[in-house]
Amino acid sequence: GQSLEQPSEVTAVEGAIVQINCTYQTSGFYGLSWYQQHDGGAPTFLSYNALDGLEETGRFSSFLSRSDSYGYLLLQELQMKDSASYFCAATTGGFKTIFGAGTRLFVKA
Amino acid sequence: NAGVTQTPKFQVLKTGQSMTLQCAQDMNHNSMYWYRQDPGMGLRLIYYSASEGTTDKGEVPNGYNVSRLNKREFSLRLESAAPSQTSVYFCASIDYPPGQSNYGYTFGSGTRLTVV
Repeated sequence: GQSLEQPSEVTAVEGAIVQINCTYQTSGFYGLSWYQQHDGGAPTFLSYNALDGLEETGRFSSFLSRSDSYGYLLLQELQMKDSASYFCAATTGGFKTIFGAGTRLFVKA
Repeated sequence: NAGVTQTPKFQVLKTGQSMTLQCAQDMNHNSMYWYRQDPGMGLRLIYYSASEGTTDKGEVPNGYNVSRLNKREFSLRLESAAPSQTSVYFCASIDYPPGQSNYGYTFGSGTRLTVV
C-alpha cells in the first residue's frame, strides 16, 4: 500500500535547528510537500519539492531524494511559535495527495 | 480574503441524523477535496473532485456522499451519522496538475463534528 512514515514527536530548544524526516512508499510519485498545523487550526502549506535537492523559504528548508524515497523539513532559529504539528504529504497519480500521521514539535525555552 | 470557506464550524448530531457540510473556494482551483482528521492519524481522504463534474472516492468514503455543485462549491453529506464519524473535517482545494514548486493545498478552517 501507500504510506508515509515520520516521527511522532520531536523536542528542541528555542534558537536551535531541528530536522523532521519523512520516508514514503507510493506509486506515481510527483512530489513531497510539508504542512504546519497549530492546535485547533487548519493545515497550512509550507513547501513542495518536485525535484531532488534543497528548497529554502526563510527559516524553513525542505529536501527531497527521489532515489531514497526520503525527504526532510529543516527548521532553523526555532521560535516558540514553531510548536505545532508538521505533516509530510506525497502527491501521487490520480489527483491524490497522501498525508503522513504528523510530527508534533515541542519547542522549549 | 481569498481562500476556502467551510460551514458550519461546529456541529453536534444524534446517531442517525443527516447533515451537509458546505465548502466554497474563490481561487478558481479546479480540484477540491474532503479530508477527515482523527487524533494520531493525520488526514485521510474521503472524496475528491478533480474537476467540475467529476467526483471520486478516497481512502474512507463509506457513509459519505459528495456533490460538486459548480467549480467553486463542493459539499459533503452524511446520510445517517454514526459515532465513528466524529472527527474534524477539512475541505481543501488545489490547481492540479502539480507544477515544479508551490504545489500545495489551501485548507478551510474545518468543521468539528460530534455524533452522539
